[in-house]
Amino acid sequence: DVKVTQSSRYLVKRTGEKVFLECVQDMDHENMFWYRQDPGLGLRLIYFSYDVKMKEKGDIPEGYSVSREKKERFSLILESASTNQTSMYLCASMDRQGPWYGYTFGSGTRLTVV
Amino acid sequence: GDSVTQMEGPVTLSEEAFLTINCTYTATGYPSLFWYVQYPGEGLQLLLKATKADDKGSNKGFEATYRKETTSFHLEKGSVQVSDSAVYFCALSRGNTLLVFGKGTRLSVIA
Repeated sequence: DVKVTQSSRYLVKRTGEKVFLECVQDMDHENMFWYRQDPGLGLRLIYFSYDVKMKEKGDIPEGYSVSREKKERFSLILESASTNQTSMYLCASMDRQGPWYGYTFGSGTRLTVV
Repeated sequence: GDSVTQMEGPVTLSEEAFLTINCTYTATGYPSLFWYVQYPGEGLQLLLKATKADDKGSNKGFEATYRKETTSFHLEKGSVQVSDSAVYFCALSRGNTLLVFGKGTRLSVIA
């Protein structure tokens, strides 16, 4: 069964810490995405990547960075975590044929910054 | 810019009731339209899709028709079950890669 795996289901970090959220897909997909999901705001795109070492800013990139050193892995980095980054983070992947074939989502990482 | 507007939830229905979740969109060009579903504790899953005007997407008893004249893609199901309780997201394609999601509508079905 093909899937997207996010390394942690729940994470609690302190303000100012550097936080890494990891996402791995086993479908050989070119495209990978990071979203955050907040009540009343839905899904907002943080960053996406269409190839190894390539990245593009989404709608809310401030306070985040990403790394894609291997095709299967896409990491989201919070350089200095703040309480307003408490959220559910969702990773997704998609092959090069486009969104018609759908995004495959991970189960999410619920991050709490205290 | 491209955007999707969904009816606000939560929506609470009794089992076997008829479901409609409204979705309208604003977009340049002719996007593909999608409904995704998120069950408790899980990521989103593609539920159904449509690529052009008057196309009907369907899956698991859910249907939605791409209405270009009203820029809408309303989700319907004739008889909901408790297992349909979830959050439903309407989305449109932006270019060849991106999806733009609505804010989601939470559905609770009670027995």
